[in-house]
Amino acid sequence: DAKTTQPTSMDCAEGRAANLPCNHSTISGNEYVYWYRQIHSQGPQYIIHGLKNNETNEMASLIITEDRKSSTLILPHATLRDTAVYYCIVRVVGSNYKLTFGKGTLLTVNP
Amino acid sequence: GAVVSQHPSWVICKSGTSVKIECRSLDFQATTMFWYRQFPKQSLMLMATSNEGSKATYEQGVEKDKFLINHASLTLSTLTVTSAHPEDSSFYICSASSGGQVRGTEAFFGQGTRLTVV
Repeated sequence: DAKTTQPTSMDCAEGRAANLPCNHSTISGNEYVYWYRQIHSQGPQYIIHGLKNNETNEMASLIITEDRKSSTLILPHATLRDTAVYYCIVRVVGSNYKLTFGKGTLLTVNP
Repeated sequence: GAVVSQHPSWVICKSGTSVKIECRSLDFQATTMFWYRQFPKQSLMLMATSNEGSKATYEQGVEKDKFLINHASLTLSTLTVTSAHPEDSSFYICSASSGGQVRGTEAFFGQGTRLTVV
């Protein structure tokens, strides 16, 4: 699976949009971009995933660049409960559902 | 989304004893389950992959005789830490895959088990 690069930490004001970047310059054509988050002392939570089109669900939006070498996770109106470590993972969809976690980005939402 | 339940949420045990952690998929059949370990301020590290009815596949550096994994049914996997030592103290997290039965995502995580060996 391709390697990802994320900033170590970010801050965001409550109520504002949080934009979390991820670089995956070695992504191959059959690899998807997944985002998970982990709130302190809890198991990871699935947020969203996509291949090449932008995706949106009730939690977030995922913007993937046309060359697919980077993506941005957008939390439109961050709340204090969105404070967590956010993981960007690139992997091939198939019978092996194993996820390889990097260090992720610690997003701190401030009041 | 699908629900994965881990039990217990936390456990304290004496050095040399064994501890069993359960991982259950509550509303779907999990063809594959994964066990991760997370030390403080570090990311999740995959320990092993288990498929129902077959032996688990361990990642390099993980002792299979120390971390016993059983996946006897499509809804239950167990991790037993045998002869636990203080260095085994960690946050253990399971993940279950529905094999595509549940749309929108593929891996669902339990809430984790905090193991402290004293």
